[in-house]
This record gives sequence, structure tokens and C-alpha cells, in this order.
Amino acid sequence: EVQLVESGGGLVQPGGSLRLSCATSGFTFSDFWMTWVRQVPGKGLEWLANINGDGSVNYYMDSVKGRFTISRDNAKNSVYLQMNSLRVEDTAVYYCMRNVDYWGQGTLLTVSS
Amino acid sequence: QTVVTQEPSLTVSPGGTVTLTCASSAGAVTSDYHPSWFQQKPGQGPTSLIHYTSNKYSWTPARFSGSLLGGKAALTLSGVQPEDEAEYYCLLDDGGPWVFGGGTKLTVL
Repeated sequence: EVQLVESGGGLVQPGGSLRLSCATSGFTFSDFWMTWVRQVPGKGLEWLANINGDGSVNYYMDSVKGRFTISRDNAKNSVYLQMNSLRVEDTAVYYCMRNVDYWGQGTLLTVSS
Repeated sequence: QTVVTQEPSLTVSPGGTVTLTCASSAGAVTSDYHPSWFQQKPGQGPTSLIHYTSNKYSWTPARFSGSLLGGKAALTLSGVQPEDEAEYYCLLDDGGPWVFGGGTKLTVL
């Protein structure tokens, strides 16, 4: 059974940093692109970044480029999102997604003073 | 970055048929955009319905189908059920970054 479990969300002050993790199981992790998506409460889905199977290629949404970094550890079957210079508007539920098929349950990040 | 546009809301009667569309500001949507469709019910996370224009998953109900229609990606629901009331999102491959549409709120009434 494919499973994705995000962790690492919480309360952070503006300007702070946080790293989200997504632990996966049930499939050959290194065979798949992985994606991070977020959703501000009450708003739509927003694609943030993705990374290929061996970690050599990644893409970002313009508004997070330079602040967010996606990475993966294929030995740990996990993908990460390092978020720096956090802003109030980064408050959202963050989901990881395998390619475009399986989703995690999401982790809530609140950026507030 | 490309802007992806969906109908903000649609209403359909139970048993009816409805088509949701997904347009790109960059021009006609083709299979090269790898259109995907997702459903999200209130209080729940998203679930995947369609990938690569028209391919269903094992869990996708048969009444859902994906296609290209008039330069847009399209999601058609035939024989709509009350449980299909949800928000629907499309996702397009913008040649590197991907972009979600703003979502369509489907009401079954």
C-alpha cells in the first residue's frame, strides 16, 4: 500500500525557517518524481516544487524560488521541503504528492508572530 | 508563469452530465501539458482522478472521464451522484513547473 506521511509543520515566526518531511512507503521511491503542494485554508491548491527520482532535477513556483528548497533522500524514502524567510502568507496545509497520483494527509504550517 | 483558468462554480442535477474545463493563458492545452484532475471534498485532502489527459486510476469511478475539448482540458461527469459535490482542480505541466487551476466548485442540486 502506497503511503505518504508529512511531518514538521507547526508555528513559526515571520522570517523563520522550517523543514517539512514526507516519509513514504509501499513503492520504489527512487522511481518517482515527488511534489510539494500547499493550500491556504479556504483557498485553492498551489503547486510549489517537484524533484526527479535521483534528485538531479527540480522545479519551483516563481514565488518560492530562492526561499524554498526541495530535496530527497532515497535511502530514507523521504522528500523534504526546506523553507526559509517565511512569511505570514506561507501559512497553509502542505501536502506531498507522488508524481500526480498519491497524496499525503498534509501538515499545517502557521507563520505568525 | 502560466495562469490556469477553471469555471469558478457549476451546478448540475443528480443523474445529469457536466463538463468542467481547464484553460491555459499560454494557449491551447494539448496532451503535452499532461493534464491531471483532482477532487477535494470539504474537510478532506485532495484525491487524484485523472492523469495524462484521460487516464483513470483504479479508484476513479467510471462516470468520470478526461479529454481535450476546444483547446482546453476537460473533465466530464456522466450520471452525476450527490457524492460528487466537491471542488475540482486541474493541474498542467508548464514545461518544468506545474500549475493548478483555481478550482471549480461543483454543486449537485
